[in-house]
Amino acid sequence: EVHLVESGGGLVQPGGSLRLSCAASGFTFNNYAMGWVRQAPGKGLQWVSVISSKSGSKSYADSVKARFTISRDNSNNTLFLQINSLRAEDTAVYYCVKAQIFGVDPTAYFENWGQGTPVTVS
Amino acid sequence: EIVLTQSPGTLSLSPGERATLSCRASQSISGDYLAWYKQKPGQAPMLIIYGAFYRATGIPDRFSGSGSGTDFTLTISRLEPEDSAIFYCQQYGSAPATFGGGTKVEI
Repeated sequence: EVHLVESGGGLVQPGGSLRLSCAASGFTFNNYAMGWVRQAPGKGLQWVSVISSKSGSKSYADSVKARFTISRDNSNNTLFLQINSLRAEDTAVYYCVKAQIFGVDPTAYFENWGQGTPVTVS
Repeated sequence: EIVLTQSPGTLSLSPGERATLSCRASQSISGDYLAWYKQKPGQAPMLIIYGAFYRATGIPDRFSGSGSGTDFTLTISRLEPEDSAIFYCQQYGSAPATFGGGTKVEI
């Protein structure tokens, strides 16, 4: 069974930084693309970033480009999201997702989701 | 970017009834790359449909997806109490991937 467990969220001041982590188990991590999707309080879903299985391809939503960096450690089955220059509008629950990606500028759908880690910028 | 508009905003039905949820795109979705997710209160979303009509693993055949181009539909043939949730559509045919605003289904 696929298991995704996020950590690293919390309360941070505007302009601050956080590093989110996602520990993955139950599947062959280095065979799959991964990503992050966020949900602001009481709002809908917003794709944030995806990374291919061997880190050769990455993409970001325009709203986070140059502030967020996605990476992965395939030897430890862990996905990361470094988030810098945080703004109030980045306040959300951040979900780690196992993804199926498509295209050169990859898009994806999201097969499995973690329970999320909350980030509050205030 | 492609804007997805879901309707209705809320659907109130009884157990055993049929639910029809609509997702309309601002432009044609390449490859009919359209997914549907279900999110219950306080829980993470769950994939139901991908590729417009393929059911995800473990999803009962009460759920079916249809449509192409700009108009897509999620049908739940026989509603059960556990289907109370918000349902989101998402396109992944063109970057960036985008989600619709959701349809709330009340049983």
